[in-house]
Amino acid sequence: KAGVTQTPRYLIKTRGQQVTLSCSPISGHRSVSWYQQTPGQGLQFLFEYFSETQRNKGNFPGRFSGRQFSNSRSEMNVSTLELGDSALYLCASSLAGGRTSGANVLTFGAGSRLTVL
Amino acid sequence: GESVGLHLPTLSVQEGDNSIINCAYSNSASDYFIWYKQESGKGPQFIIDIRSNMDKRQGQRVTVLLNKTVKHLSLQIAATQPGDSAVYFCAEPHNQGGKLIFGQGTELSVKP
Repeated sequence: KAGVTQTPRYLIKTRGQQVTLSCSPISGHRSVSWYQQTPGQGLQFLFEYFSETQRNKGNFPGRFSGRQFSNSRSEMNVSTLELGDSALYLCASSLAGGRTSGANVLTFGAGSRLTVL
Repeated sequence: GESVGLHLPTLSVQEGDNSIINCAYSNSASDYFIWYKQESGKGPQFIIDIRSNMDKRQGQRVTVLLNKTVKHLSLQIAATQPGDSAVYFCAEPHNQGGKLIFGQGTELSVKP
């Protein structure tokens, strides 16, 4: 079955712009989580969506937002981009919400690499 | 708070040798750990997991050892191959759904 699909794979924006990233989870997976990966901070949790509701949120400013649609596809948006937002944004899906464990392990997409100039 | 950390940021091994990647964790109540492999240009890929009621778990060419006494786990890769070159992360779940706490990663390089 198809894995987690993220689009676009690469994009370049300038400071002050906004960006929307898309994620299609594995078929049947209802939970989508987003992570930011940078060389300095590593992998950091942004938020999790389940049944179109944001259930959990990491320590990121309000410029970072997301949503989930009825088909479990998710988008995340970053407004007023800053240079420090340059990162690989990873989406991960799992069968159900709740604590990751066993059959509910996270499966990651290849990521969207955002460069802010 | 919870944290997981890796001992070495880089590891270089000869093809065919065994590789050992280490990870330490801080929360003695941690009960589940996952190892992910991230190749260049890809997202993290699940390798193997282990629950705290186990000391050892084996997969295909990989073994994870868990030492709860010293809060340490390791990933052993047997007969390391060039395709094993990647960054390896240990991770543990947070109580918040969808949230994993990742270590900083160890970059494994395999020399032919």
